[in-house]
Amino acid sequence: GAGVSQSPSNKVTEKGKDVELRCDPISGHTALYWYRQSLGQGLEFLIYFQGNSAPDKSGLPSDRFSAERTGGSVSTLTIQRTQQEDSAVYLCASSLSPGQGVTGELFFGEGSRLTVL
Amino acid sequence: AQTVTQSQPEMSVQEAETVTLSCTYDTSESDYYLFWYKQPPSRQMILVIRQEAYKQQNATENRFSVNFQKAAKSFSLKISDSQLGDAAMYFCASMEYGNKLVFGAGTILRVKS
Repeated sequence: GAGVSQSPSNKVTEKGKDVELRCDPISGHTALYWYRQSLGQGLEFLIYFQGNSAPDKSGLPSDRFSAERTGGSVSTLTIQRTQQEDSAVYLCASSLSPGQGVTGELFFGEGSRLTVL
Repeated sequence: AQTVTQSQPEMSVQEAETVTLSCTYDTSESDYYLFWYKQPPSRQMILVIRQEAYKQQNATENRFSVNFQKAAKSFSLKISDSQLGDAAMYFCASMEYGNKLVFGAGTILRVKS
């Protein structure tokens, strides 16, 4: 597709289970971002990829959170041993990077809503 | 570190009227971008308007315009002729060159018919 694709759209899991959230960015976008948005709140930065490397992962809340990106394309955000406070919408975005005719604009997916019971 | 502050949790406007959403930011860089994003109930974040910091001229996009005051680090959004479809959460954001996008807490805009 032409836009950023995220799956699953909705995920309900039990406390203590592991979950994987997937993001498929716009083709050709080398930068990829993960944000978390709790109900009615702003966007909390989690991690930023440039290609397959993560120059900034300062927003990951704990070592239960990890993310990887392969082939400079698809990214997976993994949350281990989920807790109720992990319940939120996880948004992925991609963009062109400096040197690619940067516009600074991020293109967002529709997010994955995670509910931890 | 970049910070973005939106001091208005919620605003209301009458249809066809004008409303201004406030935003202030802080950055130590000279090159950066500023954005307003709109998030309707569908969750899809949509870019409303973008401003490059090196440009003195305020950006405009149809009914949307900004008042960019670089010295004051202020970046307000003006919506003219408000429409029911403008109702959404609006986020102000800044991006230092080659860095991540940092968002404010958002302002809920309600449009009354």
